[in-house]
Amino acid sequence: QITLKESGPTLVKPTQTLTLTCTCSGFSLSTGGVGLSWIRQTPGKALEWLALIYWDDDRRYSPSLKTRLTITKDTSKNQVVLTMTNMDPVDTATYYCAHSSSLTTGPLPAYWGQGTLVTVSS
Amino acid sequence: QSVLTQPPSASGTPGQRITISCSGSSSNIGSSYVSWYQQLPGTAPNLLIYKNNQRPSGVPDRFSGSKSGTSASLAISGLRSEDEADYYCATWGDSLSGPVFGGGTKLTVL
Repeated sequence: QITLKESGPTLVKPTQTLTLTCTCSGFSLSTGGVGLSWIRQTPGKALEWLALIYWDDDRRYSPSLKTRLTITKDTSKNQVVLTMTNMDPVDTATYYCAHSSSLTTGPLPAYWGQGTLVTVSS
Repeated sequence: QSVLTQPPSASGTPGQRITISCSGSSSNIGSSYVSWYQQLPGTAPNLLIYKNNQRPSGVPDRFSGSKSGTSASLAISGLRSEDEADYYCATWGDSLSGPVFGGGTKLTVL
């Protein structure tokens, strides 16, 4: 079955760069139609899409955060990495990675990781 | 402020049928599929409905989805106490080139 697990620091200081890793199992990142998104949920519970990388390495970013985000994948490790620069306390949130497949469940996230809480504080 | 509009709260009694609405525009719901997610306290969102009205295996048929124009709805029939959760709608945002979400609806089972 498809599982995803996020990993990374739980606490970062303002202005630092956050690096999160999503380790995937049960599917291959190189399978046609597969996409892997990063989505965050603020303490107020709003969900915000951040970035998406497709099986063919096509990448999409939220326009409001594009200058701060980089998404990459390592198909040999079946991992996706998100980096976010210049972290601010307003970036405090639970960060999720989520799988989509245009060939099955469609373009929207289907399987989600458990999430990782990132707090930005000095 | 979320791109898609959902009522912040909904409630019902056990056995009742309730619906949760999700309103968007021609550049999101009007031109793409809608998904619905259930989020129990302290857990990640879980897919309930995809492609407007399809249920993943394991999701009870008490849950159903529909879409009309620029709006969508999630219906839950035979309401149970374990349905108490937050529910989110999502669709593709053309201008975003990525998913957009509703603000979530907190369902209380009285």
